[in-house]
Order: sequence, then C-alpha cells, then structure tokens
Amino acid sequence: EIVLTQSPDFQSVTPKERVTITCRASQSIGSNLHWYQQKPDQSPKLLIKYASQSFSGVPSRFSGSGSGTDFTLTINSLEAEDAATYYCHQSSSLPYTFGQGTKLEI
Amino acid sequence: QVTLRESGPALVKPTQTLTLTCTFSGFSLSTSGMCVSWVRQPPGKALEWLALIDWDDDKYYRTSLKTRLTISKDTSKNQVVLTMTNMDPVDTATYYCARTDSGTYAFDMWGQGTMVTVSS
Repeated sequence: EIVLTQSPDFQSVTPKERVTITCRASQSIGSNLHWYQQKPDQSPKLLIKYASQSFSGVPSRFSGSGSGTDFTLTINSLEAEDAATYYCHQSSSLPYTFGQGTKLEI
Repeated sequence: QVTLRESGPALVKPTQTLTLTCTFSGFSLSTSGMCVSWVRQPPGKALEWLALIDWDDDKYYRTSLKTRLTISKDTSKNQVVLTMTNMDPVDTATYYCARTDSGTYAFDMWGQGTMVTVSS
C-alpha cells in the first residue's frame, strides 16, 4: 500500500498569504496525485487532478505541481473561505490512499 | 448536472450487515470510462477508500476489508450498492460515494455523505 505523508498537519495563516502544502508518496506514483478541499461538515471537493490539472470551476489561486514522489499544492493570495482541510490522494495503484490531511486555520 | 446521494441506516448494531445505496444522476454507469467509488471518514479522521465499480462491472476493494465488502450496480436505476458485513464500532464513519473517471481515477463529484454509527 502506498503511504502519502502530508506536511504540515496544521497551519495558521493570514489572508493574502501564499500557502504551500506538500505530499510525499512512499514510492513513485507518476502524476497520479489529486488534491481535495474539505470544509467542516461538507464533502470533499476536487481541486487539482493528475498533479497539476485544475478541475473545472476551481479558482485560479489554487495550483499543483510535482511528479514521482513529491507533490505540492499552492494557494496564492489566500482568502478567508479557503479555511479547510486539504487531502492528497493517489490513484497509481490499488488500494487508493489519501494523505492524513492538512488543516488550514485563517 | 451531476449529483450523487447516499442513503442507508444511521445506526447499526455490531455484527450486523450494513447496506448503503448511492443514487446518482447526470451520468450513466453504462458509459465507457465511468466508475463509482465508496470512501469513508471516521469522525475527525482522514478519508479512506473502500471500493470501486466500473462501467464494465469490474470491482475493486480495499484489501484489508475485501472479505467484508460487496459493491454492485443497477444501471437501470442509476444506483450503486455497498454492503459491509460484520459491522464493528470502528466502522463508525461518514460514508461517501463519488464519481470516478477512468482517465485519472480522481473523485470528481461527491455525495453529501451519510453518517453510520455502529453501537449496541
């Protein structure tokens, strides 16, 4: 099973700040890495698929990069509505796995 | 517009079998490339993928739960059903169904989730 490790687990941030969340895979997964945003009491929403492809309707301040084992989600000019927990997910091999989550507090 | 909605019991007793139904609209599971997955989330914890069924009726399960899970589809009703046997309190979680596309296997649309508590 591929283990995804996110860092940090928690970050307190301020509006307009640039935020970077990393996700490291225990083995190479190519670009089969996706990012989700989950707000309290809501279901997750897809932000970035295939490491760097923005999903339809997602604000342009969200971007993704990386391949192999190291990936990054960047939020430029953070807004108050971005307070949420962010998860990475790999679909390179079964069982699909998620990172432990990164909670952003604004 | 793609929507998914989970339904099932809110409370089950230990050792019972849980049956959850995902009813969806806006896409068809008979379309090549379409898949539906089940994902769960224990309170305050991370997401955990459970199972996937694709348009060709291929089924995939989380290895550690494989003996307890069964996923099936009813294309005419636009439904996917997940059964989990021998429920335990550690299975208490919100259960989500999500559309998955076979291009990237990202979960691009999610239901609102259904909370299941396992308690006697």
